[in-house]
Amino acid sequence: NAGVTQTPKFQVLKTGQSMTLQCAQDMNHNSMYWYRQDPGMGLRLIYYSASEGTTDKGEVPNGYNVSRLNKREFSLRLESAAPSQTSVYFCASRNRDTEAFFGQGTRLTVV
Amino acid sequence: AQSVAQPEDQVNVAEGNPLTVKCTYSVSGNPYLFWYVQYPNRGLQFLLKYITGDNLVKGSYGFEAEFNKSQTSFHLKKPSALVSDSALYFCAVRHPSGGYNKLIFGAGTRLAVHP
Repeated sequence: NAGVTQTPKFQVLKTGQSMTLQCAQDMNHNSMYWYRQDPGMGLRLIYYSASEGTTDKGEVPNGYNVSRLNKREFSLRLESAAPSQTSVYFCASRNRDTEAFFGQGTRLTVV
Repeated sequence: AQSVAQPEDQVNVAEGNPLTVKCTYSVSGNPYLFWYVQYPNRGLQFLLKYITGDNLVKGSYGFEAEFNKSQTSFHLKKPSALVSDSALYFCAVRHPSGGYNKLIFGAGTRLAVHP
């Protein structure tokens, strides 16, 4: 049982480049989340999807877009990367009343 | 708006001593509360949760947490700390009803257990 899988694990981008972070879960969870983790800031919610076909903004959505492709997959896109988006990105999923399960993270550096 | 506060950036404790990592929250109604642990270069791992019922909840690795509604707190505790407990700990809150699905985390507390 793989749980939550994120790809890639590491990425270096130049300012202005675009990329998509992929996330897939195999636990049949309805809700999925994207967070970024920065030192001293904890985890901040970027976007979430309560169910297939819906997405909502979290605390820090600017500069990002998301797609809930199907129940399994929830991708995060950076259209024009900025150094301020250097961070570790975590995807998570959960069902009603359960705890969230996290992927191993994507370490993104924008130079 | 939901919010979670972890007032201590770091907690230092000697091995074998009891530990407490503090968490307070602000959310209307009856929240769901969670504790997670993160080891270096890893994702977050679930420790325990409070949804309803007994205010003292027990979780993984000997950890427990006490829900106090009047103080809006959910402090993490362990009777006897181990060096291997050294990690980053996060408190999180979620409002359970009305499709309000945001899961909000505190800034984290680094626990250092010294031999």
